[in-house]
Amino acid sequence: AQTVTQSQPEMSVQEAETVTLSCTYDTSESDYYLFWYKQPPSRQMILVIRQEAYKQQNATENRFSVNFQKAAKSFSLKISDSQLGDAAMYFCAYRFQGGSEKLVFGKGTKLTVNP
Amino acid sequence: EAGVAQSPRYKIIEKRQSVAFWCNPISGHATLYWYQQILGQGPKLLIQFQNNGVVDDSQLPKDRFSAERLKGVDSTLKIQPAKLEDSAVYLCASSLAQGLEQYFGPGTRLTVT
Repeated sequence: AQTVTQSQPEMSVQEAETVTLSCTYDTSESDYYLFWYKQPPSRQMILVIRQEAYKQQNATENRFSVNFQKAAKSFSLKISDSQLGDAAMYFCAYRFQGGSEKLVFGKGTKLTVNP
Repeated sequence: EAGVAQSPRYKIIEKRQSVAFWCNPISGHATLYWYQQILGQGPKLLIQFQNNGVVDDSQLPKDRFSAERLKGVDSTLKIQPAKLEDSAVYLCASSLAQGLEQYFGPGTRLTVT
């Protein structure tokens, strides 16, 4: 079974600084997707960024970028120029490309942004 | 474009009572998902519908949980009877089709006392 591990229950960063959230996963599949979701206190999950496993180039969305290491099964999220609005729970998720294509989530990392 | 709607936002019940949650997906979205998110954990898929058919319900506790999606649009998730360990946030999500981006609703926080 696929598993996703986020080893940092909590992280904090100063406003305008950079922070990296870690994620590792376990799978025997070769075709899959990885995601980072943001969940603010309002509870609405919002997709931050996605990465296709077959792509070697790391995905980037404005201030958010990932470091995808397929061999190491590692998928970290870097947030640059952190803003107060970035404070939230961040979940790493995996989806196998096949079957029901359901999302498997990690336990999350709570990010605090200090002014 | 309206997002995924869920109601109620909060519900408090006693154990052994029954409860139902409602979800209205984004218009035109064929795939609907129900997730359970226990405090301190990530969401776990309970059931996935493609139109009004079940694609995956492998993690749904079928002795007490049931879900339906009549006419392939709205969906209801029911728990009967509830247990203390059912206290969680229940998230509904939808996507245009299986494998495409999932859009989440605001969730229903259930407290079982």
